[in-house]
Amino acid sequence: AQKITQTQPGMFVQEKEAVTLDCTYDTSDQSYGLFWYKQPSSGEMIFLIYQGSYDEQNATEGRYSLNFQKARKSANLVISASQLGDSAMYFCAMRVLLTGGGNKLTFGTGTQLKVEL
Amino acid sequence: KAGVTQTPRYLIKTRGQQVTLSCSPISGHRSVSWYQQTPGQGLQFLFEYFSETQRNKGNFPGRFSGRQFSNSRSEMNVSTLELGDSALYLCASSPGGGSTEAFFGQGTRLTVV
Repeated sequence: AQKITQTQPGMFVQEKEAVTLDCTYDTSDQSYGLFWYKQPSSGEMIFLIYQGSYDEQNATEGRYSLNFQKARKSANLVISASQLGDSAMYFCAMRVLLTGGGNKLTFGTGTQLKVEL
Repeated sequence: KAGVTQTPRYLIKTRGQQVTLSCSPISGHRSVSWYQQTPGQGLQFLFEYFSETQRNKGNFPGRFSGRQFSNSRSEMNVSTLELGDSALYLCASSPGGGSTEAFFGQGTRLTVV
């Protein structure tokens, strides 16, 4: 069975500093995708970044980058130059293919990030 | 390009009632998935629809059902509501297949009293 583990329930970072949010995953599939989402208190799940299992380069999207280490099965999110607006819950998710031909996202438990002045 | 639209944003229902939630995906997206988010269980997969067909369903009782229309809009229905059904219900829109995209709506916050 596929599983996502986020071991940091809460993190604090100073404004303008970089922060790394940890994510490890477990799957026997060769083809999979990894997503990071941000969920502010309003509840909306905001897509941040995607990494495919066959992508050789780490994904980047503006201030977000994904440190993908396939052999270690980790997909850590790095946020550079943190801003107060980055304070939110962050979820790591893995897309798994299902026998019915579809797919679903399996989520970790999330990391609550607080950016301080 | 419009995002994923979920209606209503908030709902308060009484135990035993039923409720219908709606999700309009991004234009051109054919896959809609539903998730339930609670403090205790986190984010759990409910079901996925693609081209009006339910392809997969999560581990939820039969009280939870859904459908997808020809324009890809999807509805989910929960009958005989229980207090434990109180949750944030999120729908995700993607083109289909093993897509690299999965965008969520703002969610519907359901409270059962």
